[in-house]
Amino acid sequence: EIVLTQSPATLSLSPGGTATLSCRTSQNVDIYLAWYHQKAGQAPRLLIFEASKRATGIPARFSGSGSGTDFTLTISSLEPEDFGVYYCQLRAGWDFTFGPGTKVDVK
Amino acid sequence: QVTLKESGPVLVKPTETLTLTCTVSAFSLSDPGMGVSWIRQPPGKALEWLAHIFSNDAKSYTTSLKSRLTISKDTSKSQVVLTVTNVGPVDTATYYCARKRGDLEAFDSWGQGTLVTVSS
Repeated sequence: EIVLTQSPATLSLSPGGTATLSCRTSQNVDIYLAWYHQKAGQAPRLLIFEASKRATGIPARFSGSGSGTDFTLTISSLEPEDFGVYYCQLRAGWDFTFGPGTKVDVK
Repeated sequence: QVTLKESGPVLVKPTETLTLTCTVSAFSLSDPGMGVSWIRQPPGKALEWLAHIFSNDAKSYTTSLKSRLTISKDTSKSQVVLTVTNVGPVDTATYYCARKRGDLEAFDSWGQGTLVTVSS
């Protein structure tokens, strides 16, 4: 079973700042990692798939990078609607796994 | 516009069986590569993937709950059903269904979720 680790657990930033979130996997997953954003009381929304490809309608301030076991989600010029929890996710064989999440809150 | 909508009981008693239905629109459950997962989220906690059903009717389950979960689909009704047997308070969560297209290893569309509370 592949384990996902996200860091930091919480990131406190001001609007306009830059968020850098990390996701590490316990095994090599090539580029097959996705990122989601969840606002309080809402369903998650797909941001990034295959490590660096933005999903439909996702603004360019969201960018993903990495391959193998180390991945990064960068959010530049944080907007008020960007605060919330971010999850990474992968598929390993027949199964799917989510990371524990990183909360981005207002400093 | 692709939509998914979960339905089911709001309150379930311990030891009972929970049955949840996901009704989808604007795509077919038999489209090549299409699949639907159930994912849950206990209050204040992280997302937990539970089960997935593929367009060819293959199924997969999270190892820790495999003995208690059953996923199935009725393509003619555009519905995916999840049953969870012998529920307990730890099964209290918001349950989501989500779509996975064949060309994505990710969930591109989600339902709004349904909160299920297990309590006597």
